[in-house]
Amino acid sequence: KQEVTQIPAALSVPEGENLVLNCSFTDSAIYNLQWFRQDPGKGLTSLLLIQSSQREQTSGRLNASLDKSSGRSTLYIAASQPGDSATYLCAVRPFSTGTASKLTFGTGTRLQVTL
Amino acid sequence: DGGITQSPKYLFRKEGQNVTLSCEQNLNHDAMYWYRQDPGQGLRLIYYSQIVNDFQKGDIAEGYSVSREKKESFPLTVTSAQKNPTAFYLCASSIGIGLSGEKLFFGSGTQLSVL
Repeated sequence: KQEVTQIPAALSVPEGENLVLNCSFTDSAIYNLQWFRQDPGKGLTSLLLIQSSQREQTSGRLNASLDKSSGRSTLYIAASQPGDSATYLCAVRPFSTGTASKLTFGTGTRLQVTL
Repeated sequence: DGGITQSPKYLFRKEGQNVTLSCEQNLNHDAMYWYRQDPGQGLRLIYYSQIVNDFQKGDIAEGYSVSREKKESFPLTVTSAQKNPTAFYLCASSIGIGLSGEKLFFGSGTQLSVL
């Protein structure tokens, strides 16, 4: 059974700092991995999606990397801003079924960027 | 604007009562999903639907029921058989459930509490 772990559970950094969020998964047979952002009391917004054949994806100040063999992904946020404060979740889609119904989500890292 | 609308934002259930959570989308997506989110846990899939008049159980379907009479609508009923219903409920949709349905779009959620 796929397990997805995100450490740390919470992180506080001063504005302007570069930071890395971690996501680990136990089964490397994945189709893709997604990073989501969730604001308090809100739904999830997809940030980046990395296919299993890719090493990284970039969008603005965000860069996500994937090392499938080691079961790890990182989300790098450059020059953090208070508006980046949110919970960040990763989710993996298994290669075996390929269906979106079988996503396994991590528990998330709650990020706070302070002034 | 295209998107997913969940209502109500907050819902309270009395013991023995059935309650229904609404989810409507105008994205013309075929696939829709219901997830449950509990503090400190990843999202867990309750039910999903690939097409109108068809739906499948997810990982934690007991105590829940759904219908898919229209493409745009996928309501979730939390029945009295669900003994621990307090959670944040998220509805999502995707273009399809196969390889074309990689990106999930989420509603803003419904917080259900027991009186």
